[in-house]
Amino acid sequence: SQQGEEDPQALSIQEGENATMNCSYKTSINNLQWYRQNSGRGLVHLILIRSNEREKHSGRLRVTLDTSKKSSSLLITASRAADTASYFCATAIIQGAQKLVFGQGTRLTINP
Amino acid sequence: NAGVMQNPRHLVRRRGQEARLRCSPMKGHSHVYWYRQLPEEGLKFMVYLQKENIIDESGMPKERFSAEFPKEGPSILRIQQVVRGDSAAYFCASSPSELSIQYFGAGTRLSVL
Repeated sequence: SQQGEEDPQALSIQEGENATMNCSYKTSINNLQWYRQNSGRGLVHLILIRSNEREKHSGRLRVTLDTSKKSSSLLITASRAADTASYFCATAIIQGAQKLVFGQGTRLTINP
Repeated sequence: NAGVMQNPRHLVRRRGQEARLRCSPMKGHSHVYWYRQLPEEGLKFMVYLQKENIIDESGMPKERFSAEFPKEGPSILRIQQVVRGDSAAYFCASSPSELSIQYFGAGTRLSVL
Protein backbone atom coordinates (compact mmCIF):
# COMPACT_ATOMS: atom_id res chain seq x y z
CA SER A 1 0.00 0.00 0.00
CA GLN A 2 1.12 3.54 -0.68
CA GLN A 3 3.05 5.04 2.23
CA GLY A 4 3.01 8.66 1.23
CA GLU A 5 0.22 10.49 -0.50
CA GLU A 6 0.47 14.11 -1.54
CA ASP A 7 -2.36 16.56 -1.64
CA PRO A 8 -3.22 18.26 -3.91
CA GLN A 9 -2.15 16.29 -6.96
CA ALA A 10 -1.82 19.52 -8.90
CA LEU A 11 -1.56 23.15 -7.81
CA SER A 12 -1.45 26.27 -9.95
CA ILE A 13 -0.79 29.69 -8.41
CA GLN A 14 0.45 33.14 -9.37
CA GLU A 15 4.04 34.15 -8.94
CA GLY A 16 4.62 35.68 -5.55
CA GLU A 17 1.92 33.66 -3.81
CA ASN A 18 2.63 30.96 -1.28
CA ALA A 19 2.27 27.28 -2.17
CA THR A 20 1.34 24.62 0.37
CA MET A 21 1.57 20.91 -0.29
CA ASN A 22 0.58 18.17 2.11
CA CYS A 23 1.74 14.62 2.58
CA SER A 24 0.20 11.82 4.61
CA TYR A 25 1.76 8.50 5.47
CA LYS A 26 0.72 5.30 7.16
CA THR A 27 3.51 3.76 9.24
CA SER A 28 5.94 5.05 11.83
CA ILE A 29 8.90 6.83 10.31
CA ASN A 30 12.49 7.67 11.07
CA ASN A 31 12.45 10.81 8.94
CA LEU A 32 10.53 12.47 6.12
CA GLN A 33 12.14 14.16 3.15
CA TRP A 34 10.91 16.45 0.41
CA TYR A 35 12.29 16.32 -3.11
CA ARG A 36 11.72 18.41 -6.23
CA GLN A 37 11.71 17.02 -9.74
CA ASN A 38 11.74 19.20 -12.80
CA SER A 39 10.09 17.69 -15.86
CA GLY A 40 12.16 14.81 -17.22
CA ARG A 41 14.95 15.34 -14.72
CA GLY A 42 16.30 13.73 -11.59
CA LEU A 43 15.30 14.51 -8.03
CA VAL A 44 16.77 17.31 -6.00
CA HIS A 45 16.75 16.97 -2.23
CA LEU A 46 15.08 19.93 -0.52
CA ILE A 47 14.82 19.22 3.17
CA LEU A 48 14.85 16.39 5.72
CA ILE A 49 12.86 16.48 8.94
CA ARG A 50 13.37 13.84 11.62
CA SER A 51 10.55 12.20 13.53
CA ASN A 52 11.41 14.14 16.71
CA GLU A 53 11.27 17.50 14.92
CA ARG A 54 8.12 19.53 14.33
CA GLU A 55 9.25 22.28 12.00
CA LYS A 56 12.20 23.07 9.82
CA HIS A 57 13.13 26.00 7.59
CA SER A 58 15.44 26.32 4.62
CA GLY A 59 15.36 29.60 2.71
CA ARG A 60 11.84 30.02 1.34
CA LEU A 61 10.88 26.50 2.40
CA ARG A 62 9.11 25.59 5.61
CA VAL A 63 8.31 22.00 6.49
CA THR A 64 6.14 20.81 9.35
CA LEU A 65 5.70 17.32 10.67
CA ASP A 66 2.86 16.02 12.81
CA THR A 67 3.61 12.43 13.77
CA SER A 68 0.32 12.06 15.65
CA LYS A 69 -1.56 12.75 12.43
CA LYS A 70 1.09 11.11 10.26
CA SER A 71 1.25 14.14 8.04
CA SER A 72 3.68 16.76 6.78
CA SER A 73 3.37 19.98 4.86
CA LEU A 74 5.74 21.87 2.61
CA LEU A 75 5.28 25.62 2.29
CA ILE A 76 7.06 27.58 -0.42
CA THR A 77 6.81 31.30 0.22
CA ALA A 78 6.99 34.05 -2.40
CA SER A 79 6.87 31.55 -5.24
CA ARG A 80 8.85 32.06 -8.44
CA ALA A 81 8.40 30.68 -11.95
CA ALA A 82 11.49 28.54 -11.37
CA ASP A 83 9.63 26.71 -8.57
CA THR A 84 7.47 25.04 -11.22
CA ALA A 85 8.13 21.33 -10.73
CA SER A 86 6.76 18.18 -9.13
CA TYR A 87 7.28 17.86 -5.40
CA PHE A 88 7.49 14.51 -3.65
CA CYS A 89 7.53 13.56 -0.02
CA ALA A 90 9.47 10.43 0.88
CA THR A 91 9.44 8.58 4.17
CA ALA A 92 12.19 6.51 5.68
CA ILE A 93 10.33 3.95 7.77
CA ILE A 94 11.72 2.58 11.00
CA GLN A 95 12.18 -0.95 9.72
CA GLY A 96 14.15 -0.88 6.52
CA ALA A 97 15.01 2.74 6.92
CA GLN A 98 17.49 2.51 4.13
CA LYS A 99 14.79 2.79 1.49
CA LEU A 100 12.57 5.76 0.81
CA VAL A 101 8.87 5.38 0.15
CA PHE A 102 7.62 8.09 -2.18
CA GLY A 103 4.20 9.58 -2.69
CA GLN A 104 2.83 10.29 -6.14
CA GLY A 105 3.76 13.95 -5.98
CA THR A 106 2.20 17.36 -6.37
CA ARG A 107 2.64 19.09 -9.71
CA LEU A 108 3.15 22.77 -8.95
CA THR A 109 2.78 25.40 -11.67
CA ILE A 110 3.75 28.99 -10.99
CA ASN A 111 2.15 31.39 -13.43
CA PRO A 112 4.08 34.59 -14.19
CA ASN B 1 32.78 16.45 -6.43
CA ALA B 2 30.68 15.04 -9.24
CA GLY B 3 27.15 13.98 -8.44
CA VAL B 4 25.62 10.58 -9.02
CA MET B 5 26.27 9.63 -12.62
CA GLN B 6 23.92 7.41 -14.55
CA ASN B 7 24.32 6.18 -18.07
CA PRO B 8 22.97 5.94 -20.56
CA ARG B 9 20.43 8.74 -20.16
CA HIS B 10 18.17 7.14 -22.72
CA LEU B 11 18.05 3.50 -23.72
CA VAL B 12 15.88 1.93 -26.38
CA ARG B 13 15.48 -1.83 -26.50
CA ARG B 14 13.27 -4.22 -28.41
CA ARG B 15 11.21 -6.80 -26.56
CA GLY B 16 13.37 -9.74 -25.52
CA GLN B 17 16.65 -7.83 -25.43
CA GLU B 18 18.70 -7.07 -22.34
CA ALA B 19 19.05 -3.67 -20.73
CA ARG B 20 22.05 -2.67 -18.60
CA LEU B 21 21.84 0.51 -16.58
CA ARG B 22 24.91 1.88 -14.86
CA CYS B 23 25.27 4.07 -11.80
CA SER B 24 28.42 5.61 -10.35
CA PRO B 25 27.74 6.92 -6.84
CA MET B 26 29.13 10.11 -5.45
CA LYS B 27 32.71 9.92 -4.25
CA GLY B 28 32.87 8.45 -0.79
CA HIS B 29 29.38 6.95 -0.95
CA SER B 30 29.15 3.21 -0.44
CA HIS B 31 25.35 2.89 -0.33
CA VAL B 32 23.43 2.67 -3.60
CA TYR B 33 19.68 2.53 -4.17
CA TRP B 34 17.71 1.89 -7.35
CA TYR B 35 14.20 3.24 -7.90
CA ARG B 36 11.76 2.99 -10.80
CA GLN B 37 9.35 5.71 -11.86
CA LEU B 38 6.43 5.05 -14.14
CA PRO B 39 4.87 8.02 -15.99
CA GLU B 40 2.97 10.40 -13.74
CA GLU B 41 3.86 8.37 -10.64
CA GLY B 42 6.24 8.60 -7.72
CA LEU B 43 9.39 6.56 -7.38
CA LYS B 44 9.21 2.95 -6.23
CA PHE B 45 12.10 1.38 -4.36
CA MET B 46 13.72 -1.59 -6.05
CA VAL B 47 16.98 -2.52 -4.37
CA TYR B 48 19.56 -1.29 -1.85
CA LEU B 49 23.20 -2.32 -2.13
CA GLN B 50 26.44 -1.72 -0.35
CA LYS B 51 29.74 -2.64 -1.88
CA GLU B 52 29.51 -6.25 -3.10
CA ASN B 53 26.36 -6.90 -1.06
CA ILE B 54 22.64 -6.74 -1.72
CA ILE B 55 21.07 -5.49 1.50
CA ASP B 56 17.40 -5.19 0.54
CA GLU B 57 15.88 -6.31 -2.75
CA SER B 58 12.28 -6.36 -1.61
CA GLY B 59 11.21 -4.08 -4.47
CA MET B 60 12.81 -6.08 -7.25
CA PRO B 61 10.63 -8.22 -9.52
CA LYS B 62 11.41 -11.87 -8.87
CA GLU B 63 12.38 -12.63 -12.45
CA ARG B 64 14.51 -10.95 -15.11
CA PHE B 65 15.85 -8.20 -12.82
CA SER B 66 19.19 -8.26 -11.05
CA ALA B 67 21.54 -5.73 -9.51
CA GLU B 68 25.13 -5.66 -8.44
CA PHE B 69 27.60 -3.23 -6.93
CA PRO B 70 31.08 -4.68 -7.39
CA LYS B 71 34.13 -3.73 -5.42
CA GLU B 72 35.42 -1.82 -8.41
CA GLY B 73 33.23 0.00 -10.89
CA PRO B 74 29.66 1.21 -11.05
CA SER B 75 26.50 -0.42 -9.83
CA ILE B 76 24.62 -2.22 -12.57
CA LEU B 77 20.88 -2.83 -12.87
CA ARG B 78 20.27 -5.56 -15.40
CA ILE B 79 16.94 -6.37 -17.00
CA GLN B 80 16.82 -9.50 -19.10
CA GLN B 81 14.27 -10.19 -21.84
CA VAL B 82 12.67 -6.76 -21.52
CA VAL B 83 8.94 -6.32 -22.02
CA ARG B 84 6.96 -3.15 -22.77
CA GLY B 85 5.94 -2.86 -19.13
CA ASP B 86 9.60 -2.30 -18.21
CA SER B 87 9.49 1.10 -19.95
CA ALA B 88 10.12 3.62 -17.21
CA ALA B 89 12.68 5.97 -15.75
CA TYR B 90 15.18 4.23 -13.51
CA PHE B 91 16.90 6.35 -10.89
CA CYS B 92 19.93 5.58 -8.83
CA ALA B 93 20.73 7.29 -5.54
CA SER B 94 23.71 7.11 -3.24
CA SER B 95 24.43 8.05 0.34
CA PRO B 96 27.48 8.01 2.60
CA SER B 97 25.71 6.06 5.32
CA GLU B 98 22.35 4.67 6.35
CA LEU B 99 19.62 7.17 7.24
CA SER B 100 21.45 10.03 5.54
CA ILE B 101 20.25 12.02 2.59
CA GLN B 102 20.09 10.12 -0.68
CA TYR B 103 21.46 11.97 -3.69
CA PHE B 104 19.86 11.10 -6.99
CA GLY B 105 21.21 10.79 -10.48
CA ALA B 106 19.45 12.17 -13.54
CA GLY B 107 18.01 8.76 -14.36
CA THR B 108 17.95 6.41 -17.32
CA ARG B 109 14.82 6.43 -19.42
CA LEU B 110 14.22 2.98 -20.82
CA SER B 111 11.90 2.57 -23.78
CA VAL B 112 10.94 -0.91 -24.89
CA LEU B 113 9.62 -1.16 -28.43
